Amino acid sequence: EIVLTQTPAILSLSPGERATLSCRASQSVSRYLAWYQQKPGQAPRLLIYDASNRATGIPARFSGSGSGTDFTLTISSLEPEDFAVYYCQHRNNWPTFGPGTKVDIK
Amino acid sequence: QVQLVQSGAEVKKPGASVTVSCQASGYTFSDYYLHWVRQAPGQGLEWMGWINPNTGYTNYAQKFQGRVTMTGDTSISTAYIELSRLTSDDTAVYYCAKDLRGVADWFGPWGQGTLVTVSS
Repeated sequence: EIVLTQTPAILSLSPGERATLSCRASQSVSRYLAWYQQKPGQAPRLLIYDASNRATGIPARFSGSGSGTDFTLTISSLEPEDFAVYYCQHRNNWPTFGPGTKVDIK
Repeated sequence: QVQLVQSGAEVKKPGASVTVSCQASGYTFSDYYLHWVRQAPGQGLEWMGWINPNTGYTNYAQKFQGRVTMTGDTSISTAYIELSRLTSDDTAVYYCAKDLRGVADWFGPWGQGTLVTVSS
């Protein structure tokens, strides 16, 4: 089973700042990695798939990069609505999620 | 637009079974796999499996094999998940999610979630 590790667990930033979230896989997942955003009381929302493709309707301030075992989600300038928990996920026969990074207001 | 609407909250006793439904609209139900993911209170996301609504073929996470059944009814564009032999560890919000591009792909969009509480 592929294990995903996300760092940091909590990221405290102010609106307008740049957020950099990391996801590391225990073995190569090629570019088969996605990022989801979840706000309290809501279902997750797909942000990025195949490591760097933005899903429909996702603002350009969200970008993804990486391949193999190391991936990054970048939010170029945090908006108030971006404070949430972010999960990475890989896909194969048995998809798994990382434990999440909480981006909260400093 | 694509929408997934799930059934309401359930309270079950340990040892019982629960069935959650997920009604899809805005796309051809039989053309896209449907995933189930759960989230225990304050915890992360756990994939449970998927169903191909066109064929009925399923792929379950090893952890749930023997205890989970996923089905679909294409005539009403609805998928179901049944989980048996419930314990308190099964208390969670259960989500259905449409496969992004059809075949065991990414998850989007998601249903609103169904809270299942297991308590004696």
